[in-house]
Amino acid sequence: SAVISQKPSRDICQRGTSLTIQCQVDSQVTMMFWYRQQPGQSLTLIATANQGSEATYESGFVIDKFPISRPNLTFSTLTVSNMSPEDSSIYLCSVGWSGEQFFGPGTRLTVL
Amino acid sequence: GENVEQHPSTLSVQEGDSAVIKCTYSDSASNYFPWYKQELGKRPQLIIDIRSNVGEKKDQRIAVTLNKTAKHFSLHITETQPEDSAVYFCAANPEMGDQLIWGAGTKLIIKP
Repeated sequence: SAVISQKPSRDICQRGTSLTIQCQVDSQVTMMFWYRQQPGQSLTLIATANQGSEATYESGFVIDKFPISRPNLTFSTLTVSNMSPEDSSIYLCSVGWSGEQFFGPGTRLTVL
Repeated sequence: GENVEQHPSTLSVQEGDSAVIKCTYSDSASNYFPWYKQELGKRPQLIIDIRSNVGEKKDQRIAVTLNKTAKHFSLHITETQPEDSAVYFCAANPEMGDQLIWGAGTKLIIKP
């Protein structure tokens, strides 16, 4: 399995600002995923990030709002831009490993 | 595209009894079906999975069954214990890649 870390673990931000979340994996992986999870809800895929190509966004998510970087096979960032209270959520990165997915610990974001 | 439905949304069972959570999927090409457990405030963790070339898989108190004809799969937990209380998610992999389509989740409550 892969060991995944995320930074920050939580943050409280003002509306209109941006926050960048970092995801670090201890192994080289091809596919990394960014999810959003509202309290008591399921996992909503924001985008898939492959190294060396543009991220693929799911319906309802756009690059201007959630820019993603994937500079190498062990690291990715997700930025939540121009935040509003509706962006308050837990953001999780995960990696694909032989068909399985392993998750980071998540970033709890509160937007005031 | 693939769609995964999960039932029930909440399940309350007496400690020691069995619990069954059911999922259906729409894409007959799906070939991998994992189950994740998410404890409060923690990341989802893979607890068991099944691939389309088998009908049942067991790991101690948990088992998963797959009916490809009917396109449904189920999680069975026997002799439930308080530590089984969590939200359980089913998922399906519609392609050879690592992306998963998620069910809505089932909150399992174990009553003492």
